[in-house]
Amino acid sequence: AQKVTQAQTEISVVEKEDVTLDCVYETRDTTYYLFWYKQPPSGELVFLIRRNSFDEQNEISGRYSWNFQKSTSSFNFTITASQVVDSAVYFCALLSGIKAAGNKLTFGGGTRVLVKP
Amino acid sequence: DAGVIQSPRHEVTEMGQEVTLRCKPISGHDYLFWYRQTMMRGLELLIYFNNNVPIDDSGMPEDRFSAKMPNASFSTLKIQPSEPRDSAVYFCASSGGTWAGDEQYFGPGTRLTVT
Repeated sequence: AQKVTQAQTEISVVEKEDVTLDCVYETRDTTYYLFWYKQPPSGELVFLIRRNSFDEQNEISGRYSWNFQKSTSSFNFTITASQVVDSAVYFCALLSGIKAAGNKLTFGGGTRVLVKP
Repeated sequence: DAGVIQSPRHEVTEMGQEVTLRCKPISGHDYLFWYRQTMMRGLELLIYFNNNVPIDDSGMPEDRFSAKMPNASFSTLKIQPSEPRDSAVYFCASSGGTWAGDEQYFGPGTRLTVT
């Protein structure tokens, strides 16, 4: 069975502070994919990043960075120098059990980030 | 590309009425997904299609829910009869599906309120 746990339900920071969102996943598959999505107050879900289980390289995109550690089954997300526009709910998701037609995402419960000016 | 299009954006209906939600996926995408988001249960996958064929509908809550994809550019999710507990945001998403790890692109959602 697949499971994604985002233990932090809400994080509040002041603008320019760094914030790290934790994501822990469970799967028995050796091939899997991890994703982060952002859901701003407007409600849509925006794709941020995908990593596959064979690539543990950390990634940086502007103020966003991701730390993937298979040893601890974690895929954490850091926003550096946060801005008010970063206020949103962030979801971690897992895609595993890869089959010819298997494409089911399992989402974590989400972490609400509130950046105060 | 216009992205995934959903209509209506908001729907308010009375218990017992039929509700139809609509989705137009991104052109060329082979997979289409319907999700429901509630405070209590988070994001749940209801059903997904591959090349217009339903692949997994195990997330559909009960027989009152049905989904169709008559062609590659259109899908519907129907609730008949609707109940207050169906109130949620319903998202449609699509992905290229050329390989299993393709990211899914979500529509803006339909906020359904059943009174």
